[in-house]
Amino acid sequence: DSGVTQTPKHLITATGQRVTLRCSPRSGDLSVYWYQQSLDQGLQFLIQYYNGEERAKGNILERFSAQQFPDLHSELNLSSLELGDSALYFCASSVEQAGPSYGYTFGSGTRLTVV
Amino acid sequence: EDKVVQSPLSLVVHEGDTVTLNCSYEVTNFRSLLWYKQEKKAPTFLFMLTSSGIEKKSGRLSSILDKKELFSILNITATQTGDSAVYLCAVRPRMEYGNKLVFGAGTILRVKS
Repeated sequence: DSGVTQTPKHLITATGQRVTLRCSPRSGDLSVYWYQQSLDQGLQFLIQYYNGEERAKGNILERFSAQQFPDLHSELNLSSLELGDSALYFCASSVEQAGPSYGYTFGSGTRLTVV
Repeated sequence: EDKVVQSPLSLVVHEGDTVTLNCSYEVTNFRSLLWYKQEKKAPTFLFMLTSSGIEKKSGRLSSILDKKELFSILNITATQTGDSAVYLCAVRPRMEYGNKLVFGAGTILRVKS
């Protein structure tokens, strides 16, 4: 157990729907990162939050949004879902804003299937 | 655009063999290079490299970085079936704010008994 908790583990939904993925970071970690892993794109950085504020943004679609709450858990909202959004979504956490020296810790992921 | 290319894409070896996985990169402002092992789900951290020529070692795994030629290798000696996994290389650019990793597509390693 990495200490980063993601729920749900699996999600199946229809095109056009909206889903929310949840992440609880390791105790003491202030930064949360979201990554998308699909078969054709590999692991892609989406967004980073640090202590409630957005810190860095990757190739995140406008249909996707995220936030980090005062208790430091984070949610990734995906709307108007398309078949191509089917992927494994990982959350990771680290202590510092700029990341620790050892590389941050990933959760087990949420597998999203859009049908 | 920052880019990481790993080779080979996949590899099948027998237990006891030694393997070398390659990672080349292009990044605007390099900070570090990381190796991860991904089995069924979450990538797990192996090494972080920041300086050229200094080998990092953990058991049968070792890695080295060449910042002049922009590549890194991951060596696994005396491979075991438990080494079967996807090995991911990532670079961390130096950013004014925040932190991200740029991943390669990975090398799929299968170790046969």
